[in-house]
Amino acid sequence: GENVEQHPSTLSVQEGDSAVIKCTYSDSASNYFPWYKQELGKRPQLIIDIRSNVGEKKDQRIAVTLNKTAKHFSLHITETQPEDSAVYFCAAKTDQGAQKLVFGQGTRLTINP
Amino acid sequence: DTEVTQTPKHLVMGMTNKKSLKCEQHMGHRAMYWYKQKAKKPPELMFVYSYEKLSINESVPSRFSPECPNSSLLNLHLHALQPEDSALYLCASSPGGQGNYGYTFGSGTRLTVV
Repeated sequence: GENVEQHPSTLSVQEGDSAVIKCTYSDSASNYFPWYKQELGKRPQLIIDIRSNVGEKKDQRIAVTLNKTAKHFSLHITETQPEDSAVYFCAAKTDQGAQKLVFGQGTRLTINP
Repeated sequence: DTEVTQTPKHLVMGMTNKKSLKCEQHMGHRAMYWYKQKAKKPPELMFVYSYEKLSINESVPSRFSPECPNSSLLNLHLHALQPEDSALYLCASSPGGQGNYGYTFGSGTRLTVV
């Protein structure tokens, strides 16, 4: 089955700097890669996603890149703000077989003022 | 309505109790999911319902019993739980079928088994 590895597990950056979180996946059939943000005590919220027919997607300060050959994808947050502090989860999913969304282990991002 | 609603938000139950968690969505989604999330861990899939039929059971102990009465509702019946079952239980939904769409998560039920 699919296995998603996420790094780093914790990340601390100065406000205004950029943050990058990386994930690798094992199943070459995976074709959908969402990123979720989870604040303490709250639900995971979808912040951006990318499908395997696209290499990059951007939404304001957030971007995701996908390298299908290397089977890795990354989340980029620019001009970080204190409200970006949260746990971020990457995930991968395939249309084939058991259609399960498999999560990475999460990255705790802290933005220092 | 673009939300998944879960009730109750908090639940404390004894190991001999029977309780149910409820989940509701009115987005016309045809796939619904139960996840379990322990502190500082990612959500862990328990069950998947697709078009109101159970399609995935991730080898979950029988003390957890899912039910999908209709396309908008999903229940999780709990019986004889153990303290290690204490966790945040998240319901999610997605449009279903082929094609990859983001899951919408509910706010969860924080369950404590005493």
